[in-house]
Amino acid sequence: AQSVAQPEDQVNVAEGNPLTVKCTYSVSGNPYLFWYVQYPNRGLQFLLKYITGDNLVKGSYGFEAEFNKSQTSFHLKKPSALVSDSALYFCALKDYKLSFGAGTTVTVRA
Amino acid sequence: EPEVTQTPSHQVTQMGQEVILRCVPISNHLYFYWYRQILGQKVEFLVSFYNNEISEKSEIFDDQFSVERPDGSNFTLKIRSTKLEDSAMYFCASMIDRGPNEAFFGQGTRLTVV
Repeated sequence: AQSVAQPEDQVNVAEGNPLTVKCTYSVSGNPYLFWYVQYPNRGLQFLLKYITGDNLVKGSYGFEAEFNKSQTSFHLKKPSALVSDSALYFCALKDYKLSFGAGTTVTVRA
Repeated sequence: EPEVTQTPSHQVTQMGQEVILRCVPISNHLYFYWYRQILGQKVEFLVSFYNNEISEKSEIFDDQFSVERPDGSNFTLKIRSTKLEDSAMYFCASMIDRGPNEAFFGQGTRLTVV
C-alpha cells in the first residue's frame, strides 16, 4: 500500500532558525509528493510538489523540499523560520487521490 | 485566481438530521473529492468523483453518505442521518487531472452534530 508518514507530531523552533519537517513515503514506482499547509480554521494550501527531475524543489513562502529516493524521504525545509510559519503541515502522496500524513504542528517562537 | 468555494462555513445540526454540504469546484477541473478532518487531526479521504460517478470511496463513506453533481457547477456531500461522530471539518477539493497537478481545496465546512 502507498503511504506517507510524518514521524514528528510537533516541531518547535526559534524565529530565524532553520526549520525542517520530516516526511517519509512508501510507494511502488515513482511518487508524486506534495506539501500542504493549514493555518488555524483555514483550508489546505499547496506549498510545493515533487514530480521528477531536481531533487530540491522550491515552493511558496520560501519553503523548499528535498526528495531523497534512497531514504524514501521528502523533508520540507525553510532556512530561516518566521513566527507566521506556525501552522499545521501535511505531506501527501498522490496516485488517483491525495493521501495525507498525520500532520506536523510547527510552532515558531519569537 | 480560481478557487474552490464551500458553503456553509459552519453548520450545526441535530443528531439524526440530514445535512448537505455544498462545493463549487474550479470550473475546468474534472476530478472532485471530499475529505474529512476531525479536530485538527489527520485529513481523511472520503470519496472521489469523476464523470458523474464515484470512482473511489473509503471505509468511512458508508451508506449514510452520498455525493452528487446536480448541475455543471455544484458538487454536494449529503449525510443522511448524522451521528455525533460525524462532527468534523469537511473539505472539498478538485483537480484538473490525475497526473502531477496539485489539488485545490476549499476553506471547509465545520459540521457540528449535537
